[in-house]
Amino acid sequence: SQQGEEDPQALSIQEGENATMNCSYKTSINNLQWYRQNSGRGLVHLILIRSNEREKHSGRLRVTLDTSKKSSSLLITASRAADTASYFCATDANTGGFKTIFGAGTRLFVKA
Amino acid sequence: DTEVTQTPKHLVMGMTNKKSLKCEQHMGHRAMYWYKQKAKKPPELMFVYSYEKLSINESVPSRFSPECPNSSLLNLHLHALQPEDSALYLCASSHPGLAGGPVKNEQFFGPGTRLTVL
Repeated sequence: SQQGEEDPQALSIQEGENATMNCSYKTSINNLQWYRQNSGRGLVHLILIRSNEREKHSGRLRVTLDTSKKSSSLLITASRAADTASYFCATDANTGGFKTIFGAGTRLFVKA
Repeated sequence: DTEVTQTPKHLVMGMTNKKSLKCEQHMGHRAMYWYKQKAKKPPELMFVYSYEKLSINESVPSRFSPECPNSSLLNLHLHALQPEDSALYLCASSHPGLAGGPVKNEQFFGPGTRLTVL
């Protein structure tokens, strides 16, 4: 079964607006990561938040983690057309080893 | 060098062909991964190598055969594939975490090989 599930599936906003994406997961985790993927390309790591952290910032990115609700959110502030991409959360299930499971992803389209 | 390279970029093969995908990294990472990604879907983990040993096989059909000849290289040998195997195949690497221990670091992805099986 899929560990991470995201909403919305697709999001279309104007440049300068904020974009918020949510991720839910099912089992306990060591950490949660967010990745970005431009169309048909490899994934780029954005940010990692550990299970004992609640919020993390990196530039225009803000990630929150609520382990009691098994959910995370990614906020991109002051969006740009170049932010247009798919965004995936990925969980490192707390089972030992290297099994990373990706959520379904949110496709973000930022209109100039 | 923080790059993961993959060759070829594109591959078209028939169902009777044998081909190989290659992945290389020089970041000193000792964990390497193969993922399969269908259009508009998330990457699905196929195999994980840790210190050149197969650590995870996600019940992948035997027509996919991974190989890790050294700490920098990862291959995926393909034989008798089906049209439904057409997808983007992504390689990634990371520093391996300790089982049940410290948090695993980020994965670095290659650009992928776009595979079409006719």
